[in-house]
Amino acid sequence: DSGVTQTPKHLITATGQRVTLRCSPRSGDLSVYWYQQSLDQGLQFLIHYYNGEERAKGNILERFSAQQFPDLHSELNLSSLELGDSALYFCASSVAIQGNTDTQYFGPGTRLTVL
Amino acid sequence: QQQVKQSPQSLIVQKGGISIINCAYENTAFDYFPWYQQFPGKGPALLIAIRPDVSEKKEGRFTISFNKSAKQFSLHIMDSQPGDSATYFCAATRSTPLVFGKGTRLSVIA
Repeated sequence: DSGVTQTPKHLITATGQRVTLRCSPRSGDLSVYWYQQSLDQGLQFLIHYYNGEERAKGNILERFSAQQFPDLHSELNLSSLELGDSALYFCASSVAIQGNTDTQYFGPGTRLTVL
Repeated sequence: QQQVKQSPQSLIVQKGGISIINCAYENTAFDYFPWYQQFPGKGPALLIAIRPDVSEKKEGRFTISFNKSAKQFSLHIMDSQPGDSATYFCAATRSTPLVFGKGTRLSVIA
């Protein structure tokens, strides 16, 4: 158990809908990262928050947004869902701000299925 | 675009054999190269990592070999066991979020 929690574990929804994925980082971790994992694209970085502030953006669609709250939990909002958004969404957390100085601990993921 | 190319896509190894997974990167600024292990239904977990100031790092049965001039690094799993069956991802970074390879599905058969 990495100490990172994600809810829900599974989510099934229809095209055009909006969903919210939630992540609670490990106790004491200030950084939260979101990744999308699909069979053909592997693990793709979406966005990074550090202590409530956005620090880096990756291949995140404009239909997607995220935020990190004062208690450090984070939410990833996906709107106007398309079939191609079906994937595993992982949250990871780390103590510091730098990706190369500390370990990222991954949560168990949320499997999103868009029908 | 920053990329990390990983091969092979899948690998079948006999129990007790050596599993070798290779990765190549483009960005010479990368300075941290971790390997992650992922079991079905779980998130990736850090297995071992290396920085480019050393050519090899060993932790138990797992070894990373690093070739800075060739911009390549590889994971060697010695005495592979059925419990090692998982998907392995290499990654690279420098003060940025991790850039992952596409993964290698390893199956260790008895």
